[in-house]
Amino acid sequence: GAGVSQTPSNKVTEKGKYVELRCDPISGHTALYWYRQSLGQGPEFLIYFQGTGAADDSGLPNDRFFAVRPEGSVSTLKIQRTERGDSAVYLCASSRGGTGSYEQYFGPGTRLTVT
Amino acid sequence: GESVGLHLPTLSVQEGDNSIINCAYSNSASDYFIWYKQESGKGPQFIIDIRSNMDKRQGQRVTVLLNKTVKHLSLQIAATQPGDSAVYFCAENIGNQGGKLIFGQGTELSVKP
Repeated sequence: GAGVSQTPSNKVTEKGKYVELRCDPISGHTALYWYRQSLGQGPEFLIYFQGTGAADDSGLPNDRFFAVRPEGSVSTLKIQRTERGDSAVYLCASSRGGTGSYEQYFGPGTRLTVT
Repeated sequence: GESVGLHLPTLSVQEGDNSIINCAYSNSASDYFIWYKQESGKGPQFIIDIRSNMDKRQGQRVTVLLNKTVKHLSLQIAATQPGDSAVYFCAENIGNQGGKLIFGQGTELSVKP
């Protein structure tokens, strides 16, 4: 079956602009996660959805970052007034969810470059 | 605090040898651990996981060992192949904090033919 997909694969934007990054999880996975990965570092947690609701958004760095998952499937990560420090690879993962911990499957990521 | 770290940032092995990648974690409340492989330009790929009620788990050519006494996790790769060359991350999940994973910095494995 299809894995996690993310679009676009690359995004170049100017400082101050608004961007949206999309994630399509594996069909049937109720949990969805966003991470950010800087060069040479491990992924850093941003936000986690269980169904339509954000179960944990403690990793969002500031109020310029926001994510939605209105129908419990596709999710969009939104970044307002982008800054050069936002440049990174944004990874999405999904898992079966529910109680307990289940393996998370990652998409290929969106490489965001803010110029 | 919450942290997952790796003892060795790089590891170079000969093809056919066994590889061991180590990881230390600091939170005794962590109850689930995962190893991921990440190739350049790709997302992390799930390799194997282990829960805190186990101390060993085996997959195809891979074994994960968990030592809760010293908060240490290792990934063993048998008969390492050139296709195993990648960065390997361990990640932990803290039982009372939902599904988020906390990743270490990673170890780069280089396999020489």
